[in-house]
This record gives sequence, C-alpha cells and structure tokens, in this order.
Amino acid sequence: AQSVTQPDIHITVSEGASLELRCNYSYGATPYLFWYVQSPGQGLQLLLKYFSGDTLVQGIKGFEAEFKRSQSSFNLRKPSVHWSDAAEYFCAVMELRGGATNKLIFGTGTLLAVQP
Amino acid sequence: ETGVTQSPTHLIKTRGQQVTLRCSSQSGHNTVSWYQQALGQGPQFIFQYYREEENGRGNFPPRFSGLQFPNYSSELNVNALELDDSALYLCASSPRGGTSSEQYFGPGTRLTVT
Repeated sequence: AQSVTQPDIHITVSEGASLELRCNYSYGATPYLFWYVQSPGQGLQLLLKYFSGDTLVQGIKGFEAEFKRSQSSFNLRKPSVHWSDAAEYFCAVMELRGGATNKLIFGTGTLLAVQP
Repeated sequence: ETGVTQSPTHLIKTRGQQVTLRCSSQSGHNTVSWYQQALGQGPQFIFQYYREEENGRGNFPPRFSGLQFPNYSSELNVNALELDDSALYLCASSPRGGTSSEQYFGPGTRLTVT
C-alpha cells in the first residue's frame, strides 16, 4: 500500500539556520509528490510539487525539494529559516486512480519550531 | 479568484447527533475532496465528488456521506456522531482532467463531539 513517512515529529532550528525536513514514500509507480504547510488552526497551503522532469523543484517562500528515486525520498529544504516558517509541514503522495482526480496520502507531519 | 471556503469554522455537537459541513470550491474547479485530520495526525481521505457523484472513498463508514451540487459546492454529512469524529475536516478542490492534480484546501471546520 502507498504510504508516506516523515521520520521527524518535531524539529527546532535557529532563525537564519538551514532546514531539511525528511520525507520517504512507498509507491509502486512514478509518484506525484507534494509538500504542504499548515499554520496553527489553518488549512493546508501548497509549498511545491513534483510530477516529473527536473528532480529539484522550487516552491513558494524560498523552499525547494529534491526527488531521489533511489532513496524513495522527497526532502524539503530551505537555506535560511525565518521565524514565520514555524508551522507544521506535511509531505504527501498522490494515489493515481486511472484518470480521475486523485486522493492524497499524507505523512504524519513535522512540527517546526524556530528559535530567535 | 475566490479560494476554497468552508463553513462553519467551529462546531460543537453531542455524541449521537448529526452534522453537516459545507464547502465551496475554488472558481473553475469541479472536483471536491474531503479529508479528516485528527489531532496530531496527517489528513485522511474520506471521499471525493465529481459531477455530483461520489468518485472514490477512503476507509470511512457509511455514516459519512456527501453531496455535490451543480455549482460544484459540496456537503459532508456525518450521522450518529462518535467522540472519535472530533477532528478538523478539510475540503479540497481541484480542476478536472489534464495533468494538473493539485488540490487546494480550505481553512477547515473544527468539529468537537462531546
């Protein structure tokens, strides 16, 4: 069955430091991969997505992610974290359903805290 | 362009009651998906609606049901509420067809069952 694993439940970084959030997926075919961010009490905002092509994808708010098929990973990175980046981050894989719009399978999330 | 909206924002119900949550899809989107996000968890797919019909369902019992209307808005109905139904319910809309498979989420409805 398709699944997404986010090994880090909680991460704390200092403002200005670099960030990497890990995501591993299990999927039989070429995956469609996403990173979403959720601020407290809010819905999910799409940061970036990978469908095909260049394995390094750029997103909003200075985030990027790299798809590595050999490692079944899609890690999220940011060179310099801002205090406003504190939020929960979800990695997701889209389960394809033969032409229909498809469902997302989410990891359990990584809660990011930013120290001043 | 209007994003995905959901109502109400918060809701408190008693065990055994019924609840209806509403979602208006983003302009130009004709597919709506519903997700349940329990505290400390990632969202779980409930079901999806396209052309007013259910188009895929997750591992949720039949007391979770839905509707989609001609204007593509949608409702999620939950009967015989249980304490474990307490969660954030998220609606997501997406355009149909092509290679665009992005889902755009609303702010959610926080349901508390006591």
